[in-house]
Amino acid sequence: AQSVTQLDSQVPVFEEAPVELRCNYSSSVSVYLFWYVQYPNQGLQLLLKYLSGSTLVKGINGFEAEFNKSQTSFHLRKPSVHISDTAEYFCAVSDNTGTASKLTFGTGTRLQVTL
Amino acid sequence: DVKVTQSSRYLVKRTGEKVFLECVQDMDHENMFWYRQDPGLGLRLIYFSYDVKMKEKGDIPEGYSVSREKKERFSLILESASTNQTSMYLCASRTGTGTHKGYTFGSGTRLTVV
Repeated sequence: AQSVTQLDSQVPVFEEAPVELRCNYSSSVSVYLFWYVQYPNQGLQLLLKYLSGSTLVKGINGFEAEFNKSQTSFHLRKPSVHISDTAEYFCAVSDNTGTASKLTFGTGTRLQVTL
Repeated sequence: DVKVTQSSRYLVKRTGEKVFLECVQDMDHENMFWYRQDPGLGLRLIYFSYDVKMKEKGDIPEGYSVSREKKERFSLILESASTNQTSMYLCASRTGTGTHKGYTFGSGTRLTVV
């Protein structure tokens, strides 16, 4: 079984400040890792994903995440946030078993950016 | 632009009603999923399907069933709606070759059971 922990349910931050959203996972097999963003009243949109290779992954809207296998973490970062980044962010993990694989989500982190 | 379309954005139903939530994708994806989203709980998988007429239980299937008669359509059925099924329901699809290609999500159906 696999699971995801997002310790911070809410993260308030001022515009232009850096931000880190934390994500830890557990799995008995090798995994793929994802960050999704959900803007108000919308579905989920993929920000970035780690499949293999370089542990630093760059995504859309200036976000990046670093896979740390020893710490089983996949934290999301942005050096300077904008008001438009206000949204809910979900970390997700999947085993890589092909057809039968499915995503397991964390409980989400609400990023609130203010002036 | 490829899409996953959920037929209703908002629904209000009465306790005990049979409720159908419809999801259609135009990407010829083999796999389709139904999640429910609740504050503080994230997204939880209800059912998924990796082929026509095939279905698998997710983590919280109780009180729900699904139907997949055609590849593009995946329906979630609440046999007898209850107030604890008030939630946001999200449909998703992906190719059958694995999660690495990513999921496409619909915009969600907010269901209120009164």
